[in-house]
Amino acid sequence: DAKTTQPPSMDCAEGRAANLPCNHSTISGNEYVYWYRQIHSQGPQYIIHGLKNNETNEMASLIITEDRKSSTLILPHATLRDTAVYYCIVAYSGGGADGLTFGKGTHLIIQP
Amino acid sequence: EPEVTQTPSHQVTQMGQEVILRCVPISNHLYFYWYRQILGQKVEFLVSFYNNEISEKSEIFDDQFSVERPDGSNFTLKIRSTKLEDSAMYFCAIWDIYPGELFFGEGSRLTVL
Repeated sequence: DAKTTQPPSMDCAEGRAANLPCNHSTISGNEYVYWYRQIHSQGPQYIIHGLKNNETNEMASLIITEDRKSSTLILPHATLRDTAVYYCIVAYSGGGADGLTFGKGTHLIIQP
Repeated sequence: EPEVTQTPSHQVTQMGQEVILRCVPISNHLYFYWYRQILGQKVEFLVSFYNNEISEKSEIFDDQFSVERPDGSNFTLKIRSTKLEDSAMYFCAIWDIYPGELFFGEGSRLTVL
């Protein structure tokens, strides 16, 4: 799996959009970008994934650059409950034999 | 959305004791996994289980660890002789091709004294 680079921590004001960047300059053509988050010591939770096109679901939006070397996860209206560690993972599939490899992620702190 | 229930939520044990952590998915799935997270560190892959046998394992998963799915529902992780450094959160996860994402349980916290 290609490696990713994320800032270790970010702050965002409650009610504002939280934009979390991820660099994955060595991504291969058929590798997906996955985002998970972990709230305190709970199990990681899937947020969204994409290959080339931008994606949106009820939790977030994923913007992938045209060269696919970086992406941004957008939480449109952050709440205090969005305080968590956010993981950007690049992988050929979301699971399979190898599962997913988690890095250190970005600790997003939503400020009241 | 699949549910994964883990028991116990917290177990305290003495060094050298055997521990069994249990995971109960509510339905059958393609892959089952165990991950662990030492306090303040990354979530680490331990093992994947497919078609009732180990598919892949990490270097962490040494001879002290074993997994099985004895009755087609429970998925267990056994640590034969616990060490202090086994203290961690242990997460069970499941995966299917569709919808394609990992679903994690809430974890079992193991404290080895």
